[in-house]
Amino acid sequence: ETGVTQTPRHLVMGMTNKKSLKCEQHLGHNAMYWYKQSAKKPLELMFVYNFKEQTENNSVPSRFSPECPNSSHLFLHLHTLQPEDSALYLCASSQAVGETQYFGPGTRLLVL
Amino acid sequence: ILNVEQSPQSLHVQEGDSTNFTCSFPSSNFYALHWYRWETAKSPEALFVMTLNGDEKKKGRISATLNTKEGYSYLYIKGSQPEDSATYLCASRGQNFVFGPGTRLSVLP
Repeated sequence: ETGVTQTPRHLVMGMTNKKSLKCEQHLGHNAMYWYKQSAKKPLELMFVYNFKEQTENNSVPSRFSPECPNSSHLFLHLHTLQPEDSALYLCASSQAVGETQYFGPGTRLLVL
Repeated sequence: ILNVEQSPQSLHVQEGDSTNFTCSFPSSNFYALHWYRWETAKSPEALFVMTLNGDEKKKGRISATLNTKEGYSYLYIKGSQPEDSATYLCASRGQNFVFGPGTRLSVLP
């Protein structure tokens, strides 16, 4: 247990569906991150939030919409995804941006 | 080097062998180098964070070194055990936070 939880753990959705991934950290950290891991590719940083404010968006398509209502919760809203968006989505948190990150277990997403 | 690279991509060693692998990263605008261990079906787990040239960190049988001038870090495992089997990721924090592709280590009993 790292203190970072993610739900759901597995998700299958069609290209016209709207779904949301949830991440919660119980570590009192101020920074939270979304990563994507596609098959045979390195972890790709998608978004960074620091004190609820988005500080990085690494050219992520607008069909991925993050939301950070407070420092403990992070959402990734998904709509009109493509099959190539199928991947493992990992959430992480750290005390401050750039410090050691603690990862959640991930959500394995399949887009049909 | 524009990206973070790791070598080898995969490695098989016998129990008891010592091993090491490499992470190469851009030396410009460098802030920190992180190492993580990612076991199958688990979350990536932080091993080390290093920031200064010449830094050395140790955790049990695992140690790491950092050369920021030439942009590389080595991870060493002494006396490998089957439970060391995992993918070892490095990540460089510079202008961005970039992960390498990982080295997949299999320790055979």
